[in-house]
Formats: sequence, structure tokens, C-alpha cells
Amino acid sequence: SQQGEEDPQALSIQEGENATMNCSYKTSINNLQWYRQNSGRGLVHLILIRSNEREKHSGRLRVTLDTSKKSSSLLITASRAADTASYFCATATMDSNYQLIWGAGTKLIIKP
Amino acid sequence: EAGVVQSPRYKIIEKKQPVAFWCNPISGHNTLYWYRQNLGQGPELLIRYENEEAVDDSQLPKDRFSAERLKGVDSTLKIQPAELGDSAVYLCASRSRESSYNEQFFGPGTRLTVL
Repeated sequence: SQQGEEDPQALSIQEGENATMNCSYKTSINNLQWYRQNSGRGLVHLILIRSNEREKHSGRLRVTLDTSKKSSSLLITASRAADTASYFCATATMDSNYQLIWGAGTKLIIKP
Repeated sequence: EAGVVQSPRYKIIEKKQPVAFWCNPISGHNTLYWYRQNLGQGPELLIRYENEEAVDDSQLPKDRFSAERLKGVDSTLKIQPAELGDSAVYLCASRSRESSYNEQFFGPGTRLTVL
């Protein structure tokens, strides 16, 4: 079953613009993670935010978490063509830290 | 450090034929996952191993799917017989025992096409 729902399903922006993707989930979580998947490749871990954190940065990535709304957002600043990929959120629930529950992903296209 | 290795990368078979996928996780990672990913969707867990023990196989269609990780290192996922609906990307991931937050490392996947 999929807990996370990403929004939007697809996003196309110009290079240099910022890209924001959102993720909503249903149950209480231990942490939430964002992954990137380039076409035809496996998923790559980008960033993890714990349930007691509200914001986290890593390079051009900024992740926020609102546990009251059960939602997270991923912001990619100053987008590059190489950021073109699908982005997935995954949650580790409170009762099982060994299993990740995945959303359907946001397909991001950066136009040069 | 080598990443998660999967083979083959692509496989095309006719329905009712058997197929097998192989995965070698990152050295020292005791947890291994097999996922299935349909086009435009996120991964769906098929089975999780802790060392050689399958601890979560509730989503594995056991009538046609089987998996093994005999020595707790590499793993094989088999489908016999394959059906048209099995066409998907099969992903393997591993996790370190020392990981507190379940960060998973993925292989490139095997894209299966059943004709």
C-alpha cells in the first residue's frame, strides 16, 4: 500500500527556477525521506527529516515537515537540467522502522 | 565501495516462461529488500530479508513468486510462470545494520517485459 501522495504528479519549469514538490501521508511517522530516480535507474537517497524536525537543508535542497498536517515539501533551488528526474517521498512509520512506504512520485522536467 | 548490483538490467520473455533476477547488496548490509515498481508509481515492497531470514513477505504473490537469500548475502527473485501483468521494474535495495533511520540504497533495477 502507498501512504505518501506527491503533488504535483508532474512539474515542468525553466532552468534556474525553483521547484517545489509536496508529499502528504496518513499515519504517524518516525521519519520522512526524499529520493530521486533518474530515468531507467534506481532510487538515490537525497535527504531525511526526522519527525521532531521542521526543516532541513542539504545544498540546493530544502525539506520541510509539518506533522500536524502530515505533509512535507521538497524545494530545489536554482534548478539545473540534471535535476530532471522523478522525486519520491517515503515514510518510516512509528511501528516499523524497517519498512518504507512510498508515494507515487513527482516527475520533474527542467527545460534548458 | 561498490553499490547494489543487479542483473540482468533488462529481460524480455514470453508469458508462462520463468525468469530470475539477481541482487548483490552493499557489503555488510544485512537487510535486503525486493521491490516492484510499475510505470509512474512508487516502489512496492515484495519481500524483506534480515540476513538469510525472510521477515516480511506478505506482499509476495507466493503462487508464482519465490525468493531466496541462502547465505545472507546475495539474493535471487524468481517468477514462474510469468504473466503479462508482471511487466515492471524489479528493484533491490539494502540497508546497513548501523542505520538508525532506514536509509536504503538501491540497485539500478531489472526491467522485465512479458510478451
